[in-house]
Amino acid sequence: TQLLEQSPQFLSIQEGENLTVYCNSSSVFSSLQWYRQEPGEGPVLLVTVVTGGEVKKLKRLTFQFGDARKDSSLHITAAQPGDTGLYLCAGGGNQGGKLIFGQGTELSVKP
Amino acid sequence: KAGVTQTPRYLIKTRGQQVTLSCSPISGHRSVSWYQQTPGQGLQFLFEYFSETQRNKGNFPGRFSGRQFSNSRSEMNVSTLELGDSALYLCASRLGGFSEKLFFGSGTQLSVL
Repeated sequence: TQLLEQSPQFLSIQEGENLTVYCNSSSVFSSLQWYRQEPGEGPVLLVTVVTGGEVKKLKRLTFQFGDARKDSSLHITAAQPGDTGLYLCAGGGNQGGKLIFGQGTELSVKP
Repeated sequence: KAGVTQTPRYLIKTRGQQVTLSCSPISGHRSVSWYQQTPGQGLQFLFEYFSETQRNKGNFPGRFSGRQFSNSRSEMNVSTLELGDSALYLCASRLGGFSEKLFFGSGTQLSVL
């Protein structure tokens, strides 16, 4: 059974701080996606990484795929209250269209 | 372009009843996937339909079933509801290829009493 473990589960920080969320697995994934979900809404895709060692930047968010394609990280620089939400990593590509989701990281950024 | 539409938004049922949830994908999208989201288990894959055929299935009991119509709209049915079926049920659509971007709906919040 493929599993993705996310850490930390909860994160409460002040505006302006930096943070990193980790997503780890013992399995290799063809691709790794990061989503953000707000209360009452479905997840929205932020980025997809497919190459081992790949780094992608989206404004203040930096995503990295591990060399062995088993882990990934999301780094947010100078967090803002608008970054508050549930961040989910999802591994895909190994079983057709099925995505394996991590448990999520609940981020709260206080002004 | 309208997003993925799920109805109803909220549903309250009692144990033993059955329920049908509906999902209208983005126009032109032929693949529809269903996921169950709970605080304890997170997001878990139920099944995926493409061109009216189920092409992938998760590890859920047979009480969970689905179908897709010729216009790509999909329905999910849960029979003999159990308390543990209380969850947010999310539908996601994509054009068709496995590597294409998934677009999620806002979900149907099901409460089983």
